[in-house]
Amino acid sequence: EVVVTQSPATLSVSPGERATLSCRASQSIGSHLAWYLRIPGQAPRLLIYGASTRATGIPARFSGSGSGTEFTLTISSLQSEDFAVYYCQQYSNWPPGTFGQGTKLEIK
Amino acid sequence: QVQLQESGPGLVKTSETLSLTCAVSGGSVSSGNYYWNWLRESPGKGLEWIGYFHVSGATNYNVSLKSRVTISVDTSKNQLSLKVTSLTAADTAIYYCARAAAALYYFDSWGQGTLVTVSS
Repeated sequence: EVVVTQSPATLSVSPGERATLSCRASQSIGSHLAWYLRIPGQAPRLLIYGASTRATGIPARFSGSGSGTEFTLTISSLQSEDFAVYYCQQYSNWPPGTFGQGTKLEIK
Repeated sequence: QVQLQESGPGLVKTSETLSLTCAVSGGSVSSGNYYWNWLRESPGKGLEWIGYFHVSGATNYNVSLKSRVTISVDTSKNQLSLKVTSLTAADTAIYYCARAAAALYYFDSWGQGTLVTVSS
């Protein structure tokens, strides 16, 4: 099973600043990585798939990069609604599509 | 745009069976283009995929849960169901249904989730 590790567990950033979240896979997964936004009380939302393709309706301030084992989600200018939990998921080896443990993005 | 809505008991007893349903609107569980999944999220384990159902009749379950889980679909009601037997406190989680496009395998639509607490 592919193990996915996210870092940091918690990231404190001020509104308007840039946030960079990391995701690492235990073996190469090509570009088979997705990012999700998890706001309590709401349905999780697909942000990025194919490591770098924004899902429908996702603002351009969200960007994904990386391939192989190292991936990054960058939020260029944080808005209030962006402070939540972010998960990455590999789907190269599916099922199961394993998830990272999540990064909580909090207001500094 | 497809919408998914989970429902079920918020509290179940240890050793009993959990039954959840997921109502699908704006899309069809009979579509061969998608896998219909259950996942769960708990503080200790994060997000965990439970399994999927495809209209072809194919199912697949997480090996860690396989002996206790059944996923099925009611095409007449356009809904997905999950049963988990022999519950323990470790099954306490938010349970989600989600759709994954066939051959793509990421989850493009999710329900809001339903919290299930397992207690004696």
